[in-house]
Amino acid sequence: GAVVSQHPSWVICKSGTSVKIECRSLDFQATTMFWYRQFPKQSLMLMATSNEGSKATYEQGVEKDKFLINHASLTLSTLTVTSAHPEDSSFYICSAQSSGQETQYFGPGTRLLVL
Amino acid sequence: QKEVEQDPGPLSVPEGAIVSLNCTYSNSAFQYFMWYRQYSRKGPELLMYTYSSGNKEDGRFTAQVDKSSKYISLFIRDSQPSDSATYLCAMTRASKIIFGSGTRLSIRP
Repeated sequence: GAVVSQHPSWVICKSGTSVKIECRSLDFQATTMFWYRQFPKQSLMLMATSNEGSKATYEQGVEKDKFLINHASLTLSTLTVTSAHPEDSSFYICSAQSSGQETQYFGPGTRLLVL
Repeated sequence: QKEVEQDPGPLSVPEGAIVSLNCTYSNSAFQYFMWYRQYSRKGPELLMYTYSSGNKEDGRFTAQVDKSSKYISLFIRDSQPSDSATYLCAMTRASKIIFGSGTRLSIRP
């Protein structure tokens, strides 16, 4: 149990385009989903926390207008990187948490390369 | 000073050795302590999860928490080449996970 999927697993796009990444909890209801980014050989850095049906809470230094997060259902959250630039190239990982639980279950990640 | 400190390694040991991975932390508000394993280009996988001080064992893995010293450890017995990965310690406060930088572990056949 506790499986989280992400789609796509990797994406290459041109600078200036927008990219949408989906995160789904497959076998449980995720009241809270988290979005992280990870640069090579570095740890995961939390970008934002989203609760189903509410606006996401962004960490300091993360531009909410650039990284749009939607958590419209208990099994799906999306991250849209708007007007992507090469410096946005990174590994984006989501995690999902059910109500009352401390444990987060992570997706397999999405590798984004902006040319 | 980072809230969670972890030696990045790399750490290389021969197959069958006992591996010890450690983290220290500075914030006594941390409540839950976890170890994740992350293979290259994959998401983290939860290995161990503890709340109180003491030891917790699961197969070849033992997690140890010492809240008085703000120190946590993960021991891997009879290490296998398939254990080669990056190991991340993590702790929660207010439902947020704070990760260590991760230790890259390599098990030599």
